[in-house]
Amino acid sequence: AQSVTQLDSQVPVFEEAPVELRCNYSSSVSVYLFWYVQYPNQGLQLLLKYLSGSTLVKGINGFEAEFNKSQTSFHLRKPSVHISDTAEYFCAVSSGGGADGLTFGKGTHLIIQP
Amino acid sequence: DGGITQSPKYLFRKEGQNVTLSCEQNLNHDAMYWYRQDPGQGLRLIYYSQIVNDFQKGDIAEGYSVSREKKESFPLTVTSAQKNPTAFYLCASSIEGQVGRQFFGPGTRLTVL
Repeated sequence: AQSVTQLDSQVPVFEEAPVELRCNYSSSVSVYLFWYVQYPNQGLQLLLKYLSGSTLVKGINGFEAEFNKSQTSFHLRKPSVHISDTAEYFCAVSSGGGADGLTFGKGTHLIIQP
Repeated sequence: DGGITQSPKYLFRKEGQNVTLSCEQNLNHDAMYWYRQDPGQGLRLIYYSQIVNDFQKGDIAEGYSVSREKKESFPLTVTSAQKNPTAFYLCASSIEGQVGRQFFGPGTRLTVL
């Protein structure tokens, strides 16, 4: 079994400030990790993914995440946020055993304040 | 344009009625999924299908049913047995073998009155 914990349900940040959204996972097997973004009343879009290789992963819209196996974390970061980054962010994990779906965290609502 | 369509965007039903949510994709993806999203709960997997005429229960399948008669279509029926059906429902698809890379539809918000 695997699970994902997103430690913050809401993160308020001022525009142009840096942000980190935290994600921890638990799994008994090797995992693949993802961050998705959801804008209001829309589906989810993939921001970035870690499958293997470099632990620092760069995604779209200036986001990046670092896989830390010893701390079982995959925190999402952006050095300078914009109003348009206001959205819900979901961390997800897959064990890769076929197309058996993703396990999502409960989400973090990023609120950008002007 | 390739993508996933879900219809309708908003759906209202009376308690005790079955309702079917549509999901169609023209991405030629083999796998399709249904998730339920509730405030503060993230997404939870209801059903998934890896190939036509085959599907598997996810974490919260009780009160739901699906069919996969065509590769492009994966309709979800919310039955009267589902105790709390009001939620946002998301359909997704992926290429077999492409780990975790799922494409999502815009969602259907179901409200049961």
